[in-house]
Amino acid sequence: DSGVTQTPKHLITATGQRVTLRCSPRSGDLSVYWYQQSLDQGLQFLIQYYNGEERAKGNILERFSAQQFPDLHSELNLSSLELGDSALYFCASRPYTNTGELFFGEGSRLTVL
Amino acid sequence: AQSVTQLGSHVSVSEGALVLLRCNYSSSVPPYLFWYVQYPNQGLQLLLKYTTGATLVKGINGFEAEFKKSETSFHLTKPSAHMSDAAEYFCAVTPMEYGNKLVFGAGTILRVKS
Repeated sequence: DSGVTQTPKHLITATGQRVTLRCSPRSGDLSVYWYQQSLDQGLQFLIQYYNGEERAKGNILERFSAQQFPDLHSELNLSSLELGDSALYFCASRPYTNTGELFFGEGSRLTVL
Repeated sequence: AQSVTQLGSHVSVSEGALVLLRCNYSSSVPPYLFWYVQYPNQGLQLLLKYTTGATLVKGINGFEAEFKKSETSFHLTKPSAHMSDAAEYFCAVTPMEYGNKLVFGAGTILRVKS
């Protein structure tokens, strides 16, 4: 158990819909990262937050957005869903040490039909 | 910029045989290097990491990796494969500056034959 909690574990929805994925980082970790894992793209960095502020953006579509709340949990919002958005979405948190590792949650598997 | 190349998307070994998963990286600054393992329907678990100091690092489940700066490599090895090692393995790199993202390789699926 990494200490990072993601909900829901599985989500099935239709094209055009909007979903919200939730992440609670490990206790004490201020940084949250979101990654997308798909068969064709592999593990792609989406976005990073540190203590409520956006720090870095990766390959995140304009239809996607995220935020980190004062209690440090984070939400990833995916809207106008397309079939190609079907993937495993991981949240990870990072301890405040200068060694770089991330601790990953078990992911939210999104299926868009 | 950082990037990671994992040679071989699939590796198959017999139980008890040596496991060697290859990883080469490109980094403009001194990197931190990691190996993660992903079992089916699970998240990524940290196997081992290289930060500074000893270039041969030991991880969980009997795995180890050696950082070779001259070869820009960080290959993962295990002397004797076990059936439970079957999983997907990811090499990752990040620069030695706090707050940066991990950049992952494409992954190598390890199959262990009985």
